[in-house]
Amino acid sequence: TQLLEQSPQFLSIQEGENLTVYCNSSSVFSSLQWYRQEPGEGPVLLVTVVTGGEVKKLKRLTFQFGDARKDSSLHITAAQPGDTGLYLCAGAAGAQKLVFGQGTRLTINP
Amino acid sequence: GAVVSQHPSRVICKSGTSVKIECRSLDFQATTMFWYRQFPKQSLMLMATSNEGSKATYEQGVEKDKFLINHASLTLSTLTVTSAHPEDSSFYICSARVVWGITNEKLFFGSGTQLSVL
Repeated sequence: TQLLEQSPQFLSIQEGENLTVYCNSSSVFSSLQWYRQEPGEGPVLLVTVVTGGEVKKLKRLTFQFGDARKDSSLHITAAQPGDTGLYLCAGAAGAQKLVFGQGTRLTINP
Repeated sequence: GAVVSQHPSRVICKSGTSVKIECRSLDFQATTMFWYRQFPKQSLMLMATSNEGSKATYEQGVEKDKFLINHASLTLSTLTVTSAHPEDSSFYICSARVVWGITNEKLFFGSGTQLSVL
């Protein structure tokens, strides 16, 4: 069974600080996705990384896929209250399935 | 972008009743849809893969007779929670898979259904 360990599970920081969320596995994934979910809603895709070592930027968010395609990170620069939410990483596990990490509940305090 | 509509968004029912949740792809056809379950403050757990025109594939530990999935058309999959009990109370989310070209694919998620069984 392919598992994704996401850390930290909870993070509360002040506006303007930087943060990094990690997603680790002992398995190789063909691709990895990051989602953000608001309470009472479905996840919304932020980015998909496919190539080992790939780095993608989305405004203040930087996503990196590990060289071995077993891990990924999400870095947020100068966090804002609007960044508050549940961040989920998900790995493509073959057979059309996505395996989700436990999620990181991020709170940005004004 | 592609839109997945999930209804109802919230349902409260009595123990022992059945509840049907619909998942529709509004502007595209989805041969494959997925159903997830999410408990408070936890991640999404895949329950089953719904394939149009064939039987759903259930994950280990998910009772197929309790969670009935029907994917009768390319734009609609339904999940019926039969004889619901309080422990079935959860947030249920569907997603639809879009494939284009040989290697490109994306998942689009519905907005979820909060089921509360009294």
